[in-house]
Amino acid sequence: SQKIEQNSEALNIQEGKTATLTCNYTNYSPAYLQWYRQDPGRGPVFLLLIRENEKEKRKERLKVTFDTTLKQSLFHITASQPADSATYLCALGTGTASKLTFGTGTRLQVTL
Amino acid sequence: GAVVSQHPSWVICKSGTSVKIECRSLDFQATTMFWYRQFPKQSLMLMATSNEGSKATYEQGVEKDKFLINHASLTLSTLTVTSAHPEDSSFYICSARDHRASGSVSGELFFGEGSRLTVL
Repeated sequence: SQKIEQNSEALNIQEGKTATLTCNYTNYSPAYLQWYRQDPGRGPVFLLLIRENEKEKRKERLKVTFDTTLKQSLFHITASQPADSATYLCALGTGTASKLTFGTGTRLQVTL
Repeated sequence: GAVVSQHPSWVICKSGTSVKIECRSLDFQATTMFWYRQFPKQSLMLMATSNEGSKATYEQGVEKDKFLINHASLTLSTLTVTSAHPEDSSFYICSARDHRASGSVSGELFFGEGSRLTVL
C-alpha cells in the first residue's frame, strides 16, 4: 500500500542550528513533492515545490532535496529561529491528478 | 499570495443537525477545490474534490450523502455535514488552486484557515 512517512516524534533543536526533516514514501511515483507549514489550529501554508527531475531547491533559509531512488525528501531550515516552530508536512502529487496526498507531519520546536 | 477564506472557523452543534461550511477564494477563481479532514495530531485526509459546475469526486470511504459538496461558482464551494454525530467532530479544511495556473497541476494549494466542528 502507498505510504508517506514523516518522523512522528517532535524534533527539538537549538536556535541557530539547522533543522532537517525527513519524508519517505513507498509505492508512489510522484511527479512532484511539496512542503507545507502548519501552525496549531490553522490551515497549512505552502513553502516549497520540487519536481521529480530536480535534486534540490532553495528559498531563503529553506532547502529541499528530492531523491527518487531513495524515495526520500529532506527539508532543511538553516539558522533556525523560535518562529520556525510549527508542524511541517510533505505532500506528494502525481502528474495525472491534481490532488495531493499528505504525510503525517513532523513537529519542530526551536528553543533559545 | 492568493487568499482562501473559510467560514465558520468553529461551530458547535447538536447531534442530528446539519452544518454548512463555506470556502471562498477571495482574489482568484478556482475551478477545483479540495476538502480535507484532520484529526488531532494526524495528517490531512482528502475527503473530496469539488468541481465547479459538476459533481464532486469523493475519496474511497467518504459518504457522499453524509458530506454534501456544492461548487456553484468559481469562488465558492460548500461542505454540508448532514445529520452530524459526535464522530464527525473534526477540523475541516478546504484548499484551492488558482484557476489561472490550472494548466500546471503541480501548483501550490492555498488553504483556508479551517473549521473546527464539535458535535455534542
